[in-house]
Amino acid sequence: GENVEQHPSTLSVQEGDSAVIKCTYSDSASNYFPWYKQELGKRPQLIIDIRSNVGEKKDQRIAVTLNKTAKHFSLHITETQPEDSAVYFCAATTVNAGNMLTFGGGTRLMVKP
Amino acid sequence: DAGVIQSPRHEVTEMGQEVTLRCKPISGHDYLFWYRQTMMRGLELLIYFNNNVPIDDSGMPEDRFSAKMPNASFSTLKIQPSEPRDSAVYFCASSPDMGGADTQYFGPGTRLTVL
Repeated sequence: GENVEQHPSTLSVQEGDSAVIKCTYSDSASNYFPWYKQELGKRPQLIIDIRSNVGEKKDQRIAVTLNKTAKHFSLHITETQPEDSAVYFCAATTVNAGNMLTFGGGTRLMVKP
Repeated sequence: DAGVIQSPRHEVTEMGQEVTLRCKPISGHDYLFWYRQTMMRGLELLIYFNNNVPIDDSGMPEDRFSAKMPNASFSTLKIQPSEPRDSAVYFCASSPDMGGADTQYFGPGTRLTVL
């Protein structure tokens, strides 16, 4: 089955700096890659996703890139703000997996003011 | 739409008691997922349903755990008897069936404490 590895497990940046979180996946048939943000005590919430037919997607300060050949995808947050502090999860799935997501282990991002 | 609804939001019980967690998925979503989240083990998929039918329950820890989905708008996760190691946040999530992979929408979770 699918295996998703996420790095780093913790990341500390200064406000205004960029943050990058990387994930690798094992199943070459995976074709959908969402990213979730989970604030302390809250539910995971989708912040951005990408499908295998595109290489990059942007939404304001957030972007995701996908390298299908290398089987890795990354989350990029620019101009970080204290409210970006949270745990971020990447995930992957295939069209035949019944929307069952395989999650990475999570990255705790801390943005220092 | 109100999103995925879970109840109760918090549950404190004593070891050996039966616990029932409830979930109402987003209307029209065909998939329903139950997760458990702890600091030690992260986010674990317990079981998921498609059109009310259990598809994969390989994540259910043991026979003390059971899940049902009697109709498209309601699911339960039951733990009987409960143990302290079951203490965790339990999330329910739902997802539409659009013919391809799609995202999951999480409920607010139930924080379970077993004393």
